[in-house]
Amino acid sequence: NAGVTQTPKFRILKIGQSMTLQCTQDMNHNYMYWYRQDPGMGLKLIYYSVGAGITDKGEVPNGYNVSRSTTEDFPLRLELAAPSQTSVYFCASSRRTGDSQPQHFGDGTRLSIL
Amino acid sequence: QKEVEQNSGPLSVPEGAIASLNCTYSDRGSQSFFWYRQYSGKSPELIMSIYSNGDKEDGRFTAQLNKASQYVSLLIRDSQPSDSATYLCAVNNYGQNFVFGPGTRLSVLP
Repeated sequence: NAGVTQTPKFRILKIGQSMTLQCTQDMNHNYMYWYRQDPGMGLKLIYYSVGAGITDKGEVPNGYNVSRSTTEDFPLRLELAAPSQTSVYFCASSRRTGDSQPQHFGDGTRLSIL
Repeated sequence: QKEVEQNSGPLSVPEGAIASLNCTYSDRGSQSFFWYRQYSGKSPELIMSIYSNGDKEDGRFTAQLNKASQYVSLLIRDSQPSDSATYLCAVNNYGQNFVFGPGTRLSVLP
């Protein structure tokens, strides 16, 4: 079972460059999320989506953009990369039911901006 | 601002002891509570979920929930060195958003 797949696993960017972090899930989950985790810190929500075509901002959306054209894919776009965006990025998904369902995480993308 | 608080640790316990991890939350509308374990350099993995007041046991793990006190805890019995990790508490109010605590780092000493 693939679950949540993130690519790439590691990336080094120069200041001002842009890139897209890919996230795909094969569990037919409606909800998808992007988090960043700085060293020794907790998870901060960047963007989330409740279904194809619907996205919304989380706690720290500045400098990022997302799209959700399909149920499976939820890419995160970094425009004009800055050193403050050096972090580990996690994509997660969860199923929409009457009861709250836990999130399932990908392995993460470790991004350094130099 | 909805908040989830945890002691950052590190919490050190000897092998075989009971480790007790605590979490408090500010949103009284919260309905679902989750404990995740995160090894260094890895992604969070779900350990326990709890929805009702009281205790829920799964192997060596017991989650405890007290909604009146806005408090949820995780007990790990017979702690093993392999339990050494950061434990994240997550809270949800039936919406699409989860709020994560900063995590407690647990160290189990052989």
